[in-house]
Amino acid sequence: KAGVTQTPRYLIKTRGQQVTLSCSPISGHRSVSWYQQTPGQGLQFLFEYFSETQRNKGNFPGRFSGRQFSNSRSEMNVSTLELGDSALYLCASRLAGAPTDTQYFGPGTRLTVL
Amino acid sequence: KNQVEQSPQSLIILEGKNCTLQCNYTVSPFSNLRWYKQDTGRGPVSLTIMTFSENTKSNGRYTATLDADTKQSSLHITASQLSDSASYICVVRTGTYKYIFGTGTRLKVLA
Repeated sequence: KAGVTQTPRYLIKTRGQQVTLSCSPISGHRSVSWYQQTPGQGLQFLFEYFSETQRNKGNFPGRFSGRQFSNSRSEMNVSTLELGDSALYLCASRLAGAPTDTQYFGPGTRLTVL
Repeated sequence: KNQVEQSPQSLIILEGKNCTLQCNYTVSPFSNLRWYKQDTGRGPVSLTIMTFSENTKSNGRYTATLDADTKQSSLHITASQLSDSASYICVVRTGTYKYIFGTGTRLKVLA
């Protein structure tokens, strides 16, 4: 069974631009979550989608948005990029909504904002 | 404020030695606690998950403990190997669909 895939793996953008990251969950998984990881802050939760609906959101500004498609694939968009948005963006999928469901992470997209 | 604190921040040990990583949390309500291993340049991989009623859980050479009264968890690694070099992240799930992450312990195992 294929794991979680994220594209692109690396991205370089300049301030003010916008970016879209993509995540394909493990087949059959309906929940997709997004995280930002930086050396100083560690992993921080962005949002979770389940069956095309956002069911939870972390404390990030509205510049960060996402969506999930009917095939469970998800995209995350960051508008008006800032230098501080440089980070590793991780996507994780879970089977459904059970609290003990294991999250499977993708390899991440490394975003650099110049 | 919901927080998860891990110690030490970094650790260097010799191959074959044991080590213990700590995780203290002030999270309410508590749903479960999970330990992840993250190799450099890769996404985290789940090692163990513990619910409120579980005290100990093992996964090979990894043994996690949970004391729900003191809100502490530990991850013990037995007979360390070079491949154990990674960051170990403690994550507490609170309420519905919210995860609080620790900043991790970076472990380096030397030959």
